[in-house]
Amino acid sequence: EAEVAQSPRYKITEKSQAVAFWCDPISGHATLYWYRQILGQGPELLVQFQDESVVDDSQLPKDRFSAERLKGVDSTLKIQPAELGDSAMYLCASSSRGNYGYTFGSGTRLTVV
Amino acid sequence: SQELEQSPQSLIVQEGKNLTINCTSSKTLYGLYWYKQKYGEGLIFLMMLQKGGEEKSHEKITAKLDEKKQQSSLHITASQPSHAGIYLCGADPRGGSEKLVFGKGTKLTVNP
Repeated sequence: EAEVAQSPRYKITEKSQAVAFWCDPISGHATLYWYRQILGQGPELLVQFQDESVVDDSQLPKDRFSAERLKGVDSTLKIQPAELGDSAMYLCASSSRGNYGYTFGSGTRLTVV
Repeated sequence: SQELEQSPQSLIVQEGKNLTINCTSSKTLYGLYWYKQKYGEGLIFLMMLQKGGEEKSHEKITAKLDEKKQQSSLHITASQPSHAGIYLCGADPRGGSEKLVFGKGTKLTVNP
């Protein structure tokens, strides 16, 4: 069964350092999402891509977060500098065009110390 | 903005018991998704409901969307330890945007 791949699974970083997460969606999926899930909360959308274009990044803290999907395939989410409040699970998901019910990756658990 | 409220926040049941988790929306639901999450892992898709009155089942899990499309319930029959985890409901706030707004989740513990 096709999967959304994410790496790393776990990341511990010091405050003020830079950190990056990688996501490889299911082959052929045009839409890619990055969600952030704080412990005890539901996931919240950070950014949505359609192919290589950003569709929605209204909830992305742009002063420190950036996301790219240069060739419309895999994607990178970066935080610079990391803050203690960024500790969370970062989830990537992908869907094919017009398909409701997309697939999530296993996530990257970030701890900022 | 649309908000989803899940109840209860946590639930502890004895193996073999039935249980129900509710998800109530502040606005009309255009698509309601149920996911399961093991601690520290990603979300596993369970079911999606779109039409008022719709009901879907998979193994021992049944989900319903009420006629007015503002509430959904997830029912587990004869619970097993493998059902333990966090159950999340998610909704498409605009119908077709494909991004989801999630509830805070219900943590289910099933004691053997």
